[in-house]
Amino acid sequence: EAQVTQNPRYLITVTGKKLTVTCSQNMNHEYMSWYRQDPGLGLRQIYYSMNVEVTDKGDVPEGYKVSRKEKRNFPLILESPSPNQTSLYFCASSSWTERNTEAFFGQGTRLTVV
Amino acid sequence: QQPVQSPQAVILREGEDAVINCSSSKALYSVHWYRQKHGEAPVFLMILLKGGEQKGHEKISASFNEKKQQSSLYLTASQLSYSGTYFCGTESGGNKLTFGGGTRVLVKP
Repeated sequence: EAQVTQNPRYLITVTGKKLTVTCSQNMNHEYMSWYRQDPGLGLRQIYYSMNVEVTDKGDVPEGYKVSRKEKRNFPLILESPSPNQTSLYFCASSSWTERNTEAFFGQGTRLTVV
Repeated sequence: QQPVQSPQAVILREGEDAVINCSSSKALYSVHWYRQKHGEAPVFLMILLKGGEQKGHEKISASFNEKKQQSSLYLTASQLSYSGTYFCGTESGGNKLTFGGGTRVLVKP
C-alpha cells in the first residue's frame, strides 16, 4: 500500500528546543516536499527535494532545515522553533514522470510552539 | 506569487456543475489540482502540463490555457463526496510548487 508516514502527529514544544519531524515514503518516489498550512494562507511549500542529496527552498524556508540522505526519508528540522512556526505540517511524496503521475501526502503533524 | 483561485466558495446541489478557476501572473509549466476534506490530508487529483491537455478524474476534469496562464477545474454532475476545499498548485519551472488560497465546495443533497 502506498504510504507517506509522518511522525509525530501532534507535538507541543517550547521556544528554542530543537525538533525533527520525520517523513518516510515506500513508493520509491524521487520528489519529496514539505508544506505548512495555516488558516487563511493555504498550503505553502517549505522545502522540496528532487532526489537524494538534492534539496531546494520553497516559498517559506526561513527557520527550517531538511536533509535527503536516503530516497525514502525526508526529515524536517526546526533548529530553534518559534511561536510563529506553530502550524499544520504536511510531507508529500510525488512522481511526475510520463509513465507515473501521482502524489501522496502524509497525515500531517500539528505543531504548537509555546 | 500565489495563484488566485475563484470563486472562494461555492454551494451546489447534487447533480449540479461548477467551475473553479486558477490564475497566475507568471508563465506556467504545470498546474496541479488537489482536494482536501476537513481534518484530512490533501489528495492529488491531477496534473496538467503545458499544451492545454484536458485531464479527468472521476467526473472531475481540468484544462490548462498556458497563454492565459490559467487552469480551470470542472466538477460535473457533482456528488456529495465532492465536498471539500480544492487547491491549485502552480509550477513556473524549477520544480517549486506554489498553491492558491483554495476554493471551498459544499455539495448538498
